[in-house]
Amino acid sequence: AQSVTQPDIHITVSEGASLELRCNYSYGATPYLFWYVQSPGQGLQLLLKYFSGDTLVQGIKGFEAEFKRSQSSFNLRKPSVHWSDAAEYFCAVGAGADKLIFGTGTRLQVFP
Amino acid sequence: GAVVSQHPSRVICKSGTSVKIECRSLDFQATTMFWYRQFPKKSLMLMATSNEGSKATYEQGVEKDKFLINHASLTLSTLTVTSAHPEDSSFYICSVWGRSNTEAFFGQGTRLTVV
Repeated sequence: AQSVTQPDIHITVSEGASLELRCNYSYGATPYLFWYVQSPGQGLQLLLKYFSGDTLVQGIKGFEAEFKRSQSSFNLRKPSVHWSDAAEYFCAVGAGADKLIFGTGTRLQVFP
Repeated sequence: GAVVSQHPSRVICKSGTSVKIECRSLDFQATTMFWYRQFPKKSLMLMATSNEGSKATYEQGVEKDKFLINHASLTLSTLTVTSAHPEDSSFYICSVWGRSNTEAFFGQGTRLTVV
């Protein structure tokens, strides 16, 4: 079955601290992997994506993610979190131009 | 600028009435659009795939007679929630894949409240 697991429902970090959001997936074919961010009451904005090639991908706002096929993971990282990063983060998997399967999301709270 | 425009952003309606939500692809023609529903503090669940010029494909468990989808042109898909009930209250988001099929763009979402 195709699925995405985000084990952390809620994460709280201090501003300036490093961040890692976990994502594990189950997908039959070679997956396309995405991280989206959602601010309250808003749509989704793409942070980064992985299709193939270098397993460490860089995204916007200083985020990066590493694809580890052996672990079926695509964890999102940021070395220094800013207060404006507080939002909901979704990991998603798909096959391109098709429906996306989303994880349940991780709510990030940032303390000053 | 926005690639996908969704309207309205918020709507409140009475039980039993119908509500139409529009999703427009602004930059390119989209033969396929996707409609998702997001429950409070939950993930996004695909409701249906909107296909231009043909019937929508609904996911299992989604009532096609309740959630009417029309994709009459290559830039517009509409979702009509018919005979709305309070349990239909939710956040509805549409999505379109970009020209290169490497990124899915999302509308701003519509917060539907049925009272």
